[in-house]
Amino acid sequence: EAQVTQNPRYLITVTGKKLTVTCSQNMNHEYMSWYRQDPGLGLRQIYYSMNVEVTDKGDVPEGYKVSRKEKRNFPLILESPSPNQTSLYFCASSLTGGIGTQYFGPGTRLLVL
Amino acid sequence: AQSVTQPDIHITVSEGASLELRCNYSYGATPYLFWYVQSPGQGLQLLLKYFSGDTLVQGIKGFEAEFKRSQSSFNLRKPSVHWSDAAEYFCAVVTSGTYKYIFGTGTRLKVLA
Repeated sequence: EAQVTQNPRYLITVTGKKLTVTCSQNMNHEYMSWYRQDPGLGLRQIYYSMNVEVTDKGDVPEGYKVSRKEKRNFPLILESPSPNQTSLYFCASSLTGGIGTQYFGPGTRLLVL
Repeated sequence: AQSVTQPDIHITVSEGASLELRCNYSYGATPYLFWYVQSPGQGLQLLLKYFSGDTLVQGIKGFEAEFKRSQSSFNLRKPSVHWSDAAEYFCAVVTSGTYKYIFGTGTRLKVLA
């Protein structure tokens, strides 16, 4: 089944404790992206990747890191999480560089205490 | 800077009534425009998209949208709403050349039986 998977789905952590949210797609898509969703703010793009080893900042990249070493994986790293990073995070992928249909993962709900 | 505005935070319609969700964008060149739907507790699913050509585009689930350059709008319509259409709807624009996504803040649709 074609899908985008994210792990973990739920995470509670404390300020400053490094964490990684994994994202994987099995559709051989070139484009992958991370978003955060907050009430009243909609979705805001954190980082995106056009292909392996090619990443670029979205609108809200501060406090986040990403890497794209393999085509299928696009992990989101929070080196020192803070409470203002408490949010619902979505990973998405599309076949063609951003203008194709994006397929979204199920989301990761993060709470930083 | 590019932006997307969805002026209606909440909309309530009766089942069987027509629906129009508004979306206005700010972008210099011809944008790539999208409508996504998010059902409760789910990720996002593409309803339809516009890149060029015919300004009236058809999507899934009986939705359509019309691109009006003079009004910088891309409103979503459905002639007869079903109870299963209750969800949150997001308009989005992609900036060509960078493939960075800008989402609106969303419109939450409630359907009355």
